[in-house]
Amino acid sequence: SQKIEQNSEALNIQEGKTATLTCNYTNYSPAYLQWYRQDPGRGPVFLLLIRENEKEKRKERLKVTFDTTLKQSLFHITASQPADSATYLCAPPVTNSNYQLIWGAGTKLIIKP
Amino acid sequence: NAGVMQNPRHLVRRRGQEARLRCSPMKGHSHVYWYRQLPEEGLKFMVYLQKENIIDESGMPKERFSAEFPKEGPSILRIQQVVRGDSAAYFCASSPTGGLDSEQYFGPGTRLTVT
Repeated sequence: SQKIEQNSEALNIQEGKTATLTCNYTNYSPAYLQWYRQDPGRGPVFLLLIRENEKEKRKERLKVTFDTTLKQSLFHITASQPADSATYLCAPPVTNSNYQLIWGAGTKLIIKP
Repeated sequence: NAGVMQNPRHLVRRRGQEARLRCSPMKGHSHVYWYRQLPEEGLKFMVYLQKENIIDESGMPKERFSAEFPKEGPSILRIQQVVRGDSAAYFCASSPTGGLDSEQYFGPGTRLTVT
């Protein structure tokens, strides 16, 4: 069955450094993948979408890569700030569905001042 | 330009009661998704609706759960005869198009506690 795996352990990063989060998928090849941010007690907020024919996508301090050979997407935050602390979720579409995303459990990122 | 609104934000029900969760999508959005989230777990798709139509309800239990998105008014997720296992955060999201390659805008969620 299709699976999404994100590092379940919290990631502690010093302010100013680059944070890198990993999303691995198995048993299928999604055509695109979305990344969201979720703060405690709130709904997810869309950040970036990357397609399989895009190796890399950037938005301000954010960068996402999509390696279809490794079946992995990496999410980078450069010059990290304490305000970047949140849980980050990856979500590719379910195969053969036009309506369903499959969501990772998320990685909690903590940026220390 | 209000975002997605959900109410109530917190709902406490005793076992056997009914829970009604409401979602008002962003203005101009006619596509609504409902998700359930347990602590430390990912979002689980429940149902996808367009105005007056249920398009995909494959993630929703066949018994006790129902959803609607009427021509006028908010989308409603209804849980009848709630049990303790229904305790979770329920999120709705809306989008201007139904394609999964467009972003979804989430509401703040309704936290349901069944006692």
